Amino acid sequence: QVQLVESGGGVVQPGGSLRLSCAASGFIFSSYGMYWVRQAPGKGLEWVAFTWYDGSNEYYADSVKGRFTIFRDNSKNMLFLQMNSLRADDTAVYYCAKDLLAAPGPYYFDSWGQGTLVTVSS
Amino acid sequence: EIVLTQSPATLSLSPGERATLSCRANQSVSTYLAWYQQKPGQAPRLLIYDISNRATDIPARFSGSGSGTDFTLTISSLEPEDFAVYYCQQRSIWPLTFGGGTRVEIK
Repeated sequence: QVQLVESGGGVVQPGGSLRLSCAASGFIFSSYGMYWVRQAPGKGLEWVAFTWYDGSNEYYADSVKGRFTIFRDNSKNMLFLQMNSLRADDTAVYYCAKDLLAAPGPYYFDSWGQGTLVTVSS
Repeated sequence: EIVLTQSPATLSLSPGERATLSCRANQSVSTYLAWYQQKPGQAPRLLIYDISNRATDIPARFSGSGSGTDFTLTISSLEPEDFAVYYCQQRSIWPLTFGGGTRVEIK
């Protein structure tokens, strides 16, 4: 079965950096687009970034463009989110999610990890 | 950006009752709309995609309908495990956006 396990969250000061990882298993990772989605405490869902199955295209929410980078290592079934210049409003649980279809997306958030909490605070 | 407005914010119902949740877009999303369920402390789960297609292992009591800008998620008879928050989401135009959610609570 599909399994997505995020790691790398923690507490970081404003202006700092953090790299999130997502280990994927149970499906052909290199065939699916992948997402990062976040949820601030007590709030709704916000799409953050998307990468094509081969990493050749990336898309970002305006709120993170220029600060966050999504990338993947298909040889290791890993997805990453490099987060720089972090701000207090980046505080959230970050989920990685798999695309619904094995084709250039986006489609929908088919399977989700359990999330990793990022707290930006001094 | 496409803004999705969900109503009501909270729906108070009893088990066995029918739940009707609304999602309205500020411009057409064609058929590119999905619904997710999220329970406390859990990741969201895809329920419905492309307006009316149930995702894998989703019970038949969940159904979606609508077109263009107005969409509905219907739960025909609420089970105890259905009390949760529901989000709609569009993939028609970047950025991908979610509605603000509808909480279905036990009356």
